[in-house]
Amino acid sequence: AAGVIQSPRHLIKEKRETATLKCYPIPRHDTVYWYQQGPGQDPQFLISFYEKMQSDKGSIPDRFSAQQFSDYHSELNMSSLELGDSALYFCASSPDGRNYGYTFGSGTRLTVV
Amino acid sequence: AQSVAQPEDQVNVAEGNPLTVKCTYSVSGNPYLFWYVQYPNRGLQFLLKYITGDNLVKGSYGFEAEFNKSQTSFHLKKPSALVSDSALYFCAVRVPVNRDDKIIFGKGTRLHILP
Repeated sequence: AAGVIQSPRHLIKEKRETATLKCYPIPRHDTVYWYQQGPGQDPQFLISFYEKMQSDKGSIPDRFSAQQFSDYHSELNMSSLELGDSALYFCASSPDGRNYGYTFGSGTRLTVV
Repeated sequence: AQSVAQPEDQVNVAEGNPLTVKCTYSVSGNPYLFWYVQYPNRGLQFLLKYITGDNLVKGSYGFEAEFNKSQTSFHLKKPSALVSDSALYFCAVRVPVNRDDKIIFGKGTRLHILP
């Protein structure tokens, strides 16, 4: 069965650089969520999209932005990277139904040096 | 505010013994409750969920969880632990009150199964 695809798997950036993380949801899933998991931390909600529109916003820094495209894939853009942005970034997708949990991707590990 | 509490940072269980990973929640309305497992350097994997119906929910890998409304708990259980069950377990809650719902995670409990 198709899963949530995230790319790249690993990314190393220097401080003040820019990074773009991509997420491809399961086919026919119209909702995408982004989570950030710092070392030893629980996942923290960043932002979500439903039908290409932002549906909710969590603890996402102003330096980050995201969007969902017409094919439902989503990109998380991170600028002016800081050392504290080093984390595992998960994308999850969900169909338009409240009885479902999310299906998570394997994550992108971002290391800022 | 919605919240999920996992009171134990770590649980150690001998292989073959029953295991319990505790979770309590605080939400308004009827919660949807989930357990996810995370293996090292891996994504979050769905284990089981409670939406409605039978309070005892069975999930993947022989895990089950019991929804207790009066105690606002959703403890994860397994009758006989395996070494391969060693991982990080997250309890989560979702309150679908509107289009903007999302899952809130507990802090996680690290489960060590001792051979």
